[in-house]
Order: sequence, then C-alpha cells, then structure tokens
Amino acid sequence: GAVVSQHPSWVICKSGTSVKIECRSLDFQATTMFWYRQFPKQSLMLMATSNEGSKATYEQGVEKDKFLINHASLTLSTLTVTSAHPEDSSFYICSASGFTDTQYFGPGTRLTVL
Amino acid sequence: AQTVTQSQPEMSVQEAETVTLSCTYDTSESNYYLFWYKQPPSRQMILVIRQEAYKQQNATENRFSVNFQKAAKSFSLKISDSQLGDTAMYFCAPSGGSNYKLTFGKGTLLTVNP
Repeated sequence: GAVVSQHPSWVICKSGTSVKIECRSLDFQATTMFWYRQFPKQSLMLMATSNEGSKATYEQGVEKDKFLINHASLTLSTLTVTSAHPEDSSFYICSASGFTDTQYFGPGTRLTVL
Repeated sequence: AQTVTQSQPEMSVQEAETVTLSCTYDTSESNYYLFWYKQPPSRQMILVIRQEAYKQQNATENRFSVNFQKAAKSFSLKISDSQLGDTAMYFCAPSGGSNYKLTFGKGTLLTVNP
C-alpha cells in the first residue's frame, strides 16, 4: 500500500515554456501533498505544502508565481513550472500523506530546460 | 523550526556486517515523529523506519533499528546483516507541525561492499 506515482519521469523543454508535473496517490486519499526539489548530491528542499481544496503554502524563497501548485482532489496534485529557464532544471519529487504523519514519495521527475 | 545534523557524509560496510548511522536534531515541536528514509541510485525515496517521539521504545523493522535518545536529541539507525541492496543515501528527518512537515538532514551515503 501507500503508492505514489509521478508523471512524467523525465521532461525536456525549451526555455520560456511551461511544464506540468502530476503526482497521484494510487491507493489512499492524500489529504496533504508536498513538493520538493533536489539538486545533484544534495538533500531534499521543501518547496510547498498543499491540502486538498486549499491554496498551497510556499516555503520562504520559493516563487509562487513560477511554481503553481494545484491540489484539486484527494488523489491528484500538480506542479506547473511556468516560463521555465535553465536554472529551473532539477529533480522534482512529490510526497503524500493521508490522515497520518507519514509521507510517501513519488519516484521523482527530472526536468531539463534547454 | 527544526534542524538536523548527519555528521557522516559517507560510510562503507562489508556485506553481512552491522553499521550505525548517526543523526542529531533540534526541534521546537512538542509532538513530533522521526524518520529514516533511504534513496538508492534510482532516486526513489523509501521509508525505512518511523519513531514516535513520545514512545521510549526504539522502533525496529526487520534488520533496521533505531537508538532514540530523546533528551540528547539523537536518533541513530542501525543496519544489521548489511546487504548489497542497502547501498543508498540515507536521510534522517524529524517531522512536526500541523502538516507534519519533514526536515531532511544532508544525508549519509552508505556503500555496502561484497
């Protein structure tokens, strides 16, 4: 149980375009979802927290207009990177928790912006 | 606010031997949980073990166990009978607050040698 999927696993886009990443909880209801960013050989950095049906809460220093998060249902959250630039290239990971303290993680999405 | 220190950036162990990864933390939360996650080369974050801070009994999961010293704010992970598949980056993470946000340490890269 507690499986989280992410799509796509790898995306390449041109500078200036927008990219959407989906995060789904497959076998439980995710009341809270989290989005992280991970640079090579570094730890995970929390970008934002979202509760189903509510606006996301962004961590300090994260541009909410660039990283749009939607958590419209108990099984789906999306992260849209708007007007992506090469510095947005990174590994993005989502996690989900459902009425518990434990987060379960998706497999991650590698974003490359050319 | 929470902080995490993993003082061992890299460790190695021979297959079938035992290894202990250290972690110290600080938190202002009165109710919190502690986790170890591992991230193998696939980059999928996998839950290893969970500890409830209000419980004195150390958590165990098969070959994985923790030594939780609440007063010292120490939360070490012991891996017994190490296997090649245990090779991964290991992250210590306390959680707390209304959404049980995780704060990750910098990680310890564990290599299990045949």
